[in-house]
Amino acid sequence: AQSVTQPDIHITVSEGASLELRCNYSYGATPYLFWYVQSPGQGLQLLLKYFSGDTLVQGIKGFEAEFKRSQSSFNLRKPSVHWSDAAEYFCAVNTNAGKSTFGDGTTLTVKP
Amino acid sequence: ETGVTQTPRHLVMGMTNKKSLKCEQHLGHNAMYWYKQSAKKPLELMFVYNFKEQTENNSVPSRFSPECPNSSHLFLHLHTLQPEDSALYLCASSQDREGSYNEQFFGPGTRLTVL
Repeated sequence: AQSVTQPDIHITVSEGASLELRCNYSYGATPYLFWYVQSPGQGLQLLLKYFSGDTLVQGIKGFEAEFKRSQSSFNLRKPSVHWSDAAEYFCAVNTNAGKSTFGDGTTLTVKP
Repeated sequence: ETGVTQTPRHLVMGMTNKKSLKCEQHLGHNAMYWYKQSAKKPLELMFVYNFKEQTENNSVPSRFSPECPNSSHLFLHLHTLQPEDSALYLCASSQDREGSYNEQFFGPGTRLTVL
């Protein structure tokens, strides 16, 4: 069975600083990987996804993620964080049968 | 309305009440999902419907009863709930259940409080 681990429960960064959120997955076949963001009181919104091809994918709101098969990782990055990026971030993996597994989430706090 | 909508956004109910949560998607999708999101806990998938047929029930207590009358609407009927059922209930949809590249589109959730 597939699984997703987000090692950091909570991360705090200063506004304008760079950000990296970690995601490790376990799945025997080619994974389909997603990052979602959830603002307080809202549902999850897709930031970006990876299926194949270029291992560096660009998403909305200036986010990008890099797929590294050798490390079973799909880390999310942003060069300069804005206060509005404070939210909870979820990594997810789909199997080739469409079953989705979400990580436990990482809460991002942005200091002024 | 666009995307996935959920009503009500907030609900407070007693343990003996019966209430229903409603979800509607305007995306032409064929799969719909109910999730439970409790504080300090991972997202829990409750039910999955694909082309109006229930395909997954992840050991959810019978006090939660889903209904999917068509591909656009999904209900969660609640009765004799417990205080530990207080949570944010999220509805989501996707193109279909089997598409591995299908992302899910989420509604804003219903914040449920059981007294």
